[in-house]
Formats: sequence, structure tokens, C-alpha cells
Amino acid sequence: AQSVTQLGSHVSVSEGALVLLRCNYSSSVPPYLFWYVQYPNQGLQLLLKYTTGATLVKGINGFEAEFKKSETSFHLTKPSAHMSDAAEYFCAVSSDTGNQFYFGTGTSLTVIP
Amino acid sequence: DTGVSQDPRHKITKRGQNVTFRCDPISEHNRLYWYRQTLGQGPEFLTYFQNEAQLEKSRLLSDRFSAERPKGSFSTLEIQRTEQGDSAMYLCASSISGGLREKLFFGSGTQLSVL
Repeated sequence: AQSVTQLGSHVSVSEGALVLLRCNYSSSVPPYLFWYVQYPNQGLQLLLKYTTGATLVKGINGFEAEFKKSETSFHLTKPSAHMSDAAEYFCAVSSDTGNQFYFGTGTSLTVIP
Repeated sequence: DTGVSQDPRHKITKRGQNVTFRCDPISEHNRLYWYRQTLGQGPEFLTYFQNEAQLEKSRLLSDRFSAERPKGSFSTLEIQRTEQGDSAMYLCASSISGGLREKLFFGSGTQLSVL
């Protein structure tokens, strides 16, 4: 079975500070991992994904995530937060068949000017 | 690419009424998913179609829920005899099987409020 756990339902950072959103996964097979972002009144948008290969994945808007098998983690980072980064962020893992996606409970990011 | 569109954006209904939502996926996408999202939670899988075939259903999808994708294009999700616990955001997503199949494109959702 696959699942993800996001630590911290709310994270606040100052503009220009490092963003770190945590995600740990559980998977009985090599996982496909994703980060999605949801802006108010909008659908979810893919930020980045890890399937195989390089463990450091770069996504849109300056975000990146590192797959660490030993820690079963896939934390999302951005070196310098921007006001426009304020949104809800969801970590997800796909099922072993690839037909379902299991989402975490989300982390709401607030950027303080 | 006009994106995934969902209609309506908001629906308010009284308990016991039936409601139907529509999803139009990206035109070349053969996979279509329905998810439900409640406040403070991530999206929860409801069901998935490949073309017109409904291949998987979650246990969350009680017998009051039915989804169709009759021609392998748009899909409808119907909830019969709505209950207050059905209040949620209903999200539709589509993707292409094979290739970039892992990437889901989401619509903006239909917010259902059951009074």
C-alpha cells in the first residue's frame, strides 16, 4: 500500500527565506512521487515529480525536491520564498498500478512580507 | 489545450436531492479521474476511467454515487439522495496513459454544499 504524510499543516516563512515542506512516504514498491500546488479557487498544478533516475528533481517556480530512499522522504524546498508562493502544497504518491494517486493532507504556506 | 473544465463551479442543494456534475477533460486525454477534497484534507480518489471504461472505484464511492463517461470524452458524477457529509470539493483530473501518464491535469473543481 502507498501513502504519504506531510508534517506541518501550516508553514510560515518570511519573503526571501528558505522554504522547506516535509513529506514522508510509505510504499511497498519503488514509488513515483509528486508535489502539487493549489492556489485559491484553482485546481491542483504539478510542481515536480520523481519517477526514476536523478534523486534531485527540479520543478517549476524554482522549487526542487530530493528523493531519499533511506529516509523515505521527498521534501520540497525553495531557496528564497516569494509572496506568490503562498498556496496549499500537496505531496502525492502513485499506486503500484499507477492508476491511483494518494495525496497527503496538505501544507498551507504563508509568506510574510 | 483548454485545460480540464468542470461545471458547475458551485452547487448548493438540500439534503435528499440528486446532483450531477460534469467534467470535460483535455481532449486527447484518455484517462479521467474523480477525486473528493474536504477542508483540511488532500484529494481522495473516487474513481477512474480509461476511455469509456470505469476501471477502478474507491470504497468511498457508495451506491449513491455513480459516474459515467459514455463516449470516452466528458464524464458525469451523480450523487443521489445527498447527505450533509457529501459536502466537499469534487475534483476531476485527466491524463494520457503511457508517456506522461503520471501527470494529472486538474480542473478547478465543483464545490458542493448540502444543506
